[in-house]
Amino acid sequence: QVTLRESGPALVKPAQTLTLTCSFSGFSLTTRNMCVSWLRQPPGKAPEWLARIDWDDDKYYNTSLETRLTISKDTSKNQVVLTLDNVDPVDTATYYCARTAPSLDQDLRRYYYYMDVWGQGTTVTVSS
Amino acid sequence: DIVLTQSPATLSVSPGERATLSCRASQSVSIHLAWYQQKPGQAPRLLIYGASTRATGVPARFTGSGSGTEFTLTISSLQSEDFAVYYCQQYSKRPLYTFGQGTKLEIK
Repeated sequence: QVTLRESGPALVKPAQTLTLTCSFSGFSLTTRNMCVSWLRQPPGKAPEWLARIDWDDDKYYNTSLETRLTISKDTSKNQVVLTLDNVDPVDTATYYCARTAPSLDQDLRRYYYYMDVWGQGTTVTVSS
Repeated sequence: DIVLTQSPATLSVSPGERATLSCRASQSVSIHLAWYQQKPGQAPRLLIYGASTRATGVPARFTGSGSGTEFTLTISSLQSEDFAVYYCQQYSKRPLYTFGQGTKLEIK
């Protein structure tokens, strides 16, 4: 059974760095084509994808936030960590991590990746 | 950036009836589109990927269709547990993933 759980501070002050940890089980980030993504969802809005880290340590970021984001993994602990620098009240949201699995496009002979299992989320408020 | 537009924003349907939700992409995403269901206080749940493949454990009453820029999620006979917000999401192009703004499916 695949499970993911997010952890981190519930309250962060503006201009601080937010550090979130995703602890997962039921799969391994050493498995080829396996990935983990981070997303967030402000209250009443659609989810927003933030970053993805792959089994081979490739990293991808939302271009609008990439100067503030860092994603990393610790395969020995089955954890993925996301940091967001210089937070602002607009960063208030529920933050999710999700396993990101491959889907093979037979025509193009390449993989596309979609989020199949999500954690329950952790709510972060940015306020002084 | 690829923009996904979902319609309608709110859909009122009676239990037992069919619901049809639409998602339009600003440029082709081929079949690289997923549908998620989200209930209050819960994380999104994957229903459909590859535009039409049901995820594990998803009931057969959920059907995804479409390709390119036009996609549809059909729920054939609404059950009480199906009333929720539904999001489409593309995973075809950078930024790697974008979501529609959601359709709220409510009880009529």
